[in-house]
Amino acid sequence: RKEVEQDPGPFNVPEGATVAFNCTYSNSASQSFFWYRQDCRKEPKLLMSVYSSGNEDGRFTAQLNRASQYISLLIRDSKLSDSATYLCVVSRRGSYIPTFGRGTSLIVHP
Amino acid sequence: GAGVSQSPSNKVTEKGKDVELRCDPISGHTALYWYRQSLGQGLEFLIYFQGNSAPDKSGLPSDRFSAERTGGSVSTLTIQRTQQEDSAVYLCASSPTTGTNEKLFFGSGTQLSVL
Repeated sequence: RKEVEQDPGPFNVPEGATVAFNCTYSNSASQSFFWYRQDCRKEPKLLMSVYSSGNEDGRFTAQLNRASQYISLLIRDSKLSDSATYLCVVSRRGSYIPTFGRGTSLIVHP
Repeated sequence: GAGVSQSPSNKVTEKGKDVELRCDPISGHTALYWYRQSLGQGLEFLIYFQGNSAPDKSGLPSDRFSAERTGGSVSTLTIQRTQQEDSAVYLCASSPTTGTNEKLFFGSGTQLSVL
């Protein structure tokens, strides 16, 4: 089983829709969680950290479920510019090396 | 401010040749990572540098791959006797933290094509 797993998609949604992605991780010692965004042919960029209490940044909400070992990203009121690949990133306790999921592709259409 | 800089942005080489890829991290960042990403694939960890500590080379796929970081700043990834399966985007990232809560800042990558 891969350490970090994501549904590759693509998720194809209309503008204004709400869409959610999940990411599961296999190592219960994982302690740091992030969502990165990667546009086509570009480098990944940090979107948001994921805290135990959950966190929100504008239209984006990230949550962590330690019991079930998954994190989620919710995007409300989708914009065309949200079209990208969303990468789930996990770091294990005592490790300085983040592990990246393969990403979930989102396509927002008019 | 200046971000992570990588050069060259594109490199085309013939099978069997050696290549060097360069990364200039954000000033003051102590941690430096190399990843590679093949078409349609996720990021594969290669090597990690932290300050003056010995690098974590656990992700290097073969002994044809090596990297160094001089003076705690610029890093060079060298691939000897390149093979077609080495074709990928090589991404460098730096991070300002020394803890485990790493937030990585990536360069735009080097697209390596081995013919």
